[in-house]
Amino acid sequence: DIQMTQSPSSLSASVGDRVTITCRASQSISNYLNWYQQKPGGAPRLLIYAASTLQSGVPSRFSGSGSGTYFALTISSLRPEDFATYYCQESYKAPLTFGGGTRVEI
Amino acid sequence: EVQLVESGGGLVQPGGSLRLSCAASGFAFSSYWMSWVRQVPGRGLEWVANMRPDGGEIYYVDSVKGRFTISRDNAKNSLYLQMNSLRVDDTAVYYCARDKIVGPSNFDYWGQGTLVTVSS
Repeated sequence: DIQMTQSPSSLSASVGDRVTITCRASQSISNYLNWYQQKPGGAPRLLIYAASTLQSGVPSRFSGSGSGTYFALTISSLRPEDFATYYCQESYKAPLTFGGGTRVEI
Repeated sequence: EVQLVESGGGLVQPGGSLRLSCAASGFAFSSYWMSWVRQVPGRGLEWVANMRPDGGEIYYVDSVKGRFTISRDNAKNSLYLQMNSLRVDDTAVYYCARDKIVGPSNFDYWGQGTLVTVSS
């Protein structure tokens, strides 16, 4: 099975900050990497698929990069509604593994 | 509007069974792979299983193989998860998620989740 390692597990930031979350795969997964946002009490929301393609309706301050084993999610200027937990997920092969999550808090 | 509504969660004793349902609307259900994803309260996400539209391909995470069965009824726009031999560590919120049509999986719509609690 492919292991997905996110870092950091949590971070503190302020409105307006540039934030980067990283995700490493235990083997090459090409660009088969998705990012999700989850707020407390809510279901996850797809932000980015295929490593760098923005899902419809997602603000352009979110961007994804990377391929192979190293990936990153960047929020260019943090807004109050961005405080949440973020997960990466590989879609290279089953089982479709998620990273452990990164909590972004004030 | 795409909607996914799970039901069937509840409290069950270890070793018991439960069947979850997911009612889909607002899209061509019979064209999409569908997945179940679970989350222990306060913890991370774990993909559980997915299924091709015609049922010809099914995949499970190792921890549920032989105990859980994913199925679907395209005529009823419904997805199911039959859970047998339940264990305490199966306790989680179970989400139904719309998966791909073709290509790599991604989950672009999710239900609100249904809580399964396995406890004596």
